Amino acid sequence: DAGVIQSPRHEVTEMGQEVTLRCKPISGHNSLFWYRQTMMRGLELLIYFNNNVPIDDSGMPEDRFSAKMPNASFSTLKIQPSEPRDSAVYFCASSLGTGNEQFFGPGTRLTVL
Amino acid sequence: SQQGEEDPQALSIQEGENATMNCSYKTSINNLQWYRQNSGRGLVHLILIRSNEREKHSGRLRVTLDTSKKSSSLLITASRAADTASYFCATRGQNFVFGPGTRLSVLP
Repeated sequence: DAGVIQSPRHEVTEMGQEVTLRCKPISGHNSLFWYRQTMMRGLELLIYFNNNVPIDDSGMPEDRFSAKMPNASFSTLKIQPSEPRDSAVYFCASSLGTGNEQFFGPGTRLTVL
Repeated sequence: SQQGEEDPQALSIQEGENATMNCSYKTSINNLQWYRQNSGRGLVHLILIRSNEREKHSGRLRVTLDTSKKSSSLLITASRAADTASYFCATRGQNFVFGPGTRLSVLP
């Protein structure tokens, strides 16, 4: 198995632009998590899905952030409009069941200028 | 405040020594997990301990859990330079929360 796949690996954009991050979980996993990691705030859970349904989005910082999971093999995290303070590494993780071992993707390093 | 908090924030030891990291949390949990993160990479799961377990081993790793004190410890024995990384505890209770991590440096 290729593991969790995230794209792009790096994204540099200008303030105000829309950013879409993509994630393909491990086949067979039914839970998917989006995290954001910064030096200041550490690793923060933004949202997680179980069986493609959003369960907890309390970590989503603002209405500028939205996440979807149209099917079991694909999820997106969108930021519109982006701001410099959104610069961070965004990780996607998947697991079999929400409380079990999570497998992390390599992350997307986002820089908003 | 965060559910899980590790201490120390940073730890530097010589190769061959043991490294101990602690994690404290505030509310009841179903399980507690430890992860490792090498610089610039995603987290890798190390070990999961359930709330009804007190100790668990995996290779050179030993994890303890004291639910009465709401704390856990991760012991890495006979450390190697390759163990240099950040280590996070994550608690699974009503939600799923990672602590700020302990940055471990193992000097050759």
